[in-house]
Amino acid sequence: QVQLQESGPGLVKPSDTLSLTCTVSGDSITTYYWSWVRQPPGKGLEWIGYIYYSGSTNYNPSLKSRITISVDTSKNQFSLKLSSVTAADTAVYYCAREVTTLRYFDSWGQGTLVTVSS
Amino acid sequence: EVVLTQSPATLSLSPGERATLSCRASQRVSSFLSWYQQKPGQAPRLLIYDASNRASDIPARFSGSGSGTDFTLTISSLEPEDFAVYFCLLRSSWPPALTFGGGTKVEIK
Repeated sequence: QVQLQESGPGLVKPSDTLSLTCTVSGDSITTYYWSWVRQPPGKGLEWIGYIYYSGSTNYNPSLKSRITISVDTSKNQFSLKLSSVTAADTAVYYCAREVTTLRYFDSWGQGTLVTVSS
Repeated sequence: EVVLTQSPATLSLSPGERATLSCRASQRVSSFLSWYQQKPGQAPRLLIYDASNRASDIPARFSGSGSGTDFTLTISSLEPEDFAVYFCLLRSSWPPALTFGGGTKVEIK
């Protein structure tokens, strides 16, 4: 059974770059599509973007200018970088698996809270 | 850009009652709509995909229906563990993206 685990700093300063990594176990990262989703405290979910093992990506248009998602197949990991963060980027960040592109998420990480504050 | 509106925002029901949750799209869309359950402090869990297909290990009391602009998640008889927040998720054709609805909280009456 696939497991996803997010890791990265829990506190980021305003205007800095948020960096998170998702480690996938129990499945090869070359099999499916891999996404990031976030949820501000007490609010709804927002899709950030996905990557395929080939490096092909698709980003949320509203965040596209600030996002980079990359993949490291040798480590079975994929990563998120979100630049120029503000307090509005404070959220729980989840990594998730998509069986096919832009369809549904069948497996999720537990999530990690990232707070943007000086 | 497609907007998904979930209603009601909160549904107050008793165990054993039927829950009907709505997800409405701002324009006619594909049936690539999925439903998720989220409990406090937990990640969302896939319940329904492609509008009406139950995910693995999801009890039969959960069902999905709909097409076009209107989709429904029905819980036929609420169990205590079903009280949670439910989100719908839709794929939009252009720009190609995924959009979540705002969520419906099912609470104990």
